[in-house]
Amino acid sequence: EAGVAQSPRYKIIEKRQSVAFWCNPISGHATLYWYQQILGQGPKLLIQFQNNGVVDDSQLPKDRFSAERLKGVDSTLKIQPAKLEDSAVYLCASSLGGATGELFFGEGSRLTVL
Amino acid sequence: AQSVTQPDIHITVSEGASLELRCNYSYGATPYLFWYVQSPGQGLQLLLKYFSGDTLVQGIKGFEAEFKRSQSSFNLRKPSVHWSDAAEYFCAVAAPGFQKLVFGTGTRLLVSP
Repeated sequence: EAGVAQSPRYKIIEKRQSVAFWCNPISGHATLYWYQQILGQGPKLLIQFQNNGVVDDSQLPKDRFSAERLKGVDSTLKIQPAKLEDSAVYLCASSLGGATGELFFGEGSRLTVL
Repeated sequence: AQSVTQPDIHITVSEGASLELRCNYSYGATPYLFWYVQSPGQGLQLLLKYFSGDTLVQGIKGFEAEFKRSQSSFNLRKPSVHWSDAAEYFCAVAAPGFQKLVFGTGTRLLVSP
């Protein structure tokens, strides 16, 4: 079974530029998450989708971050314009759903903002 | 809101020795509790989880954890550490019925020969 796929694995940009990350969840997984992991910290949930609807985006900085999950499968996370403090690993995870469903994480996309 | 504290940033253990990683949570009731492991450049992998019932939970790779309500703790243990266990370990909590995980800051495990 293929796992959660993310791309690109690494991205270096200058502040005020834009960047987009892509995630392809495990086939059949209805729930998709984007987490931000800053160096030395635990992952923090940015947004949770159930199919193509947003369940929780309370910690998403909406002035610069956006995410979509068209057709309820792949998802894209965009940052525009990027700030230095956005340097982090962006983790995508998916699950079948339900309160006790296991989350499966991708390898992450590491962003460096100069 | 729930929160998680992992008091140890780094721990070094000799190969073959036992391991205990500490995790304390803050939540008004009994939450869902998880331990994840992250190897360098890899995503997080679930080691074990606790929802209810038996307070001693067995996981993969020989790990176990014990939920202690009186201490608000969910410590991870392994009787004999292998060099391949070197990684970062994250404790996480979720409110029952929800999948929003709140992670601790992690403990980096180093294994010495």
